[in-house]
Amino acid sequence: GAVVSQHPSRVICKSGTSVKIECRSLDFQATTMFWYRQFPKQSLMLMATSNEGSKATYEQGVEKDKFLINHASLTLSTLTVTSAHPEDSSFYICSASGRSTEAFFGQGTRLTVV
Amino acid sequence: QQQVKQSPQSLIVQKGGISIINCAYENTAFDYFPWYQQFPGKGPALLIAIRPDVSEKKEGRFTISFNKSAKQFSLHIMDSQPGDSATYFCAASKTGTASKLTFGTGTRLQVTL
Repeated sequence: GAVVSQHPSRVICKSGTSVKIECRSLDFQATTMFWYRQFPKQSLMLMATSNEGSKATYEQGVEKDKFLINHASLTLSTLTVTSAHPEDSSFYICSASGRSTEAFFGQGTRLTVV
Repeated sequence: QQQVKQSPQSLIVQKGGISIINCAYENTAFDYFPWYQQFPGKGPALLIAIRPDVSEKKEGRFTISFNKSAKQFSLHIMDSQPGDSATYFCAASKTGTASKLTFGTGTRLQVTL
């Protein structure tokens, strides 16, 4: 299957700072990328959908000013958690999709805000 | 609104046994039903997927059974192995939504020796 690389795999940041998570499709052009959040022992909750070159579409209840998503190219999308607080600590996962319906997931990023 | 219901929440199966996980969906527009396997601290990986035009799909030890009239589908893992111990998610999406998946709640499978 196609490869989606997510970086970093783990990050610890201080409360009030911002952190950026990158999601790259390594061997295909990702016209659409999705960002999920997963709490321990829970399912994946879709945060937003981003299409290359256009603004992201956020799910209800997700603060777009807090979770900034940029999808500037067909191989890269970034999620920036701004002014992070401990309640933002979670496992963030991206997925990428090209022409087919199949979605390929990154390895996830464990964010801990202290 | 939970559009994909998954059961059981957890499952313990002996090595060599059959693991069965069930999902039910509500939205009749869904036409793509994948199953994902997730190990702790990792992203989900696609195991197997099915579309409504077939009632069963088998890949190795993994089989999806699909019942369109009942709006249900299930994952069967034959000859379950300790390495299969993971969390399994069913999902559903509809054509044209570029893989916008609706996930089930997940099933934690433990395969014992």
